[in-house]
Amino acid sequence: AQKVTQAQTEISVVEKEDVTLDCVYETRDTTYYLFWYKQPPSGELVFLIRRNSFDEQNEISGRYSWNFQKSTSSFNFTITASQVVDSAVYFCALTLGGGISNFGNEKLTFGTGTRLTIIP
Amino acid sequence: EPEVTQTPSHQVTQMGQEVILRCVPISNHLYFYWYRQILGQKVEFLVSFYNNEISEKSEIFDDQFSVERPDGSNFTLKIRSTKLEDSAMYFCASSDGRNSAPHNEQFFGPGTRLTVL
Repeated sequence: AQKVTQAQTEISVVEKEDVTLDCVYETRDTTYYLFWYKQPPSGELVFLIRRNSFDEQNEISGRYSWNFQKSTSSFNFTITASQVVDSAVYFCALTLGGGISNFGNEKLTFGTGTRLTIIP
Repeated sequence: EPEVTQTPSHQVTQMGQEVILRCVPISNHLYFYWYRQILGQKVEFLVSFYNNEISEKSEIFDDQFSVERPDGSNFTLKIRSTKLEDSAMYFCASSDGRNSAPHNEQFFGPGTRLTVL
């Protein structure tokens, strides 16, 4: 069975500081997908990124960047120059990729989330 | 942009009552899901549905729960006799499921907050 661990329950940083949210995953499958979702105080789940297990390239999107390292089973998320609007709960999640006949029907396994508070 | 919608946004019910939570997935999607998030906790998978039948369900999804796709657009979650511990946010999601990508991306609805008194 797969598992996602987000060891940081809560993080507070002062605005404009950089912050990294950690995510460690466990799976025996070789094909899988990793995700980050943001949950603002309004409660919806906002998709941020998907990464497949064969693509270890780091990704940058504006102030957001992701570091995927299979050697340590980690998929960490960094926010650069944080802003108050970044305050939210962030979830890391994992789904299996399945075989050729198994598309899109795998459940997402979520971590417990990290509550990020940006102090103005 | 197409989106998953859920109604109602908030449902209050008495313990023991039946509730039906409704979802309209994205129209050309093939896979549908329900997840639950108890306040302050992580999002947990309940059930996935494909081709008019359940493809996987979690331990949480016991006999009190059922899902249905009564017509071509709605996807419902029914809780037969609600308990206090069913109070949570319930998220519906759908995915394309085809080889054409975005592979395995699940699009979430805004959620229904269920409060059982």
